Amino acid sequence: GDSVTQMEGPVTLSEEACLTINCTYTATGYPSLFWYVQYPGEGLQLLLKATKADDKGSNKGFEATYRKETTSFHLEKGSVQVSDSAVYFCALSDRDTGFQKLVFGTGTRLLVSP
Amino acid sequence: DAGITQSPRHKVTETGTPVTLRCHQTENHRYMYWYRQDPGHGLRLIHYSYGVKDTDKGEVSDGYSVSRSKTEDFLLTLESATSSQTSVYFCAISRDSHALSGANVLTFGAGSRLTVL
Repeated sequence: GDSVTQMEGPVTLSEEACLTINCTYTATGYPSLFWYVQYPGEGLQLLLKATKADDKGSNKGFEATYRKETTSFHLEKGSVQVSDSAVYFCALSDRDTGFQKLVFGTGTRLLVSP
Repeated sequence: DAGITQSPRHKVTETGTPVTLRCHQTENHRYMYWYRQDPGHGLRLIHYSYGVKDTDKGEVSDGYSVSRSKTEDFLLTLESATSSQTSVYFCAISRDSHALSGANVLTFGAGSRLTVL
């Protein structure tokens, strides 16, 4: 079945450092890919998405490119801020399941210190 | 929260007791979902609904039932709670126009933390 693997956390960075959170996926069909973010005490919210190969999703300085050849969707940001501290989830949905059933990775906690 | 309210937000109960969590939305979307969040597992789909009285199972549906008698309310019931059901439960909705496409994006409620002793 479909699955998402993302790097273990926590990832600890100083403010203005570069961020990469790795995400790879396994899917039987042609999935859409997502990054969601969860701030402390809140529900998840969409950060960015990409629905076809080579698409780049971007939002709030974060970017991720849908790489079909490496089945990856790594999250990057050039300069993190303390306010980026949160848990980040990579996810996919698949045409074979009517795009209804989002499959999530285990989440990666990011801690940014001043 | 795009008009999604979960209740209760926190609940402590004992093994064997029934528990119902409620998700209420104000925007009349057809598609609603219940997920549970556990360390090391991320979020896993329990059940979802695509209309009044129309529901389907997710990957971890055992021990849970759902009901949708009105568009705005989606109830999750644990008939006899067990300690393995201690978790944070999230309700989500999907915008109808994208629900069956690759652009299906979920909007989540704030979560309900359930502890089963």
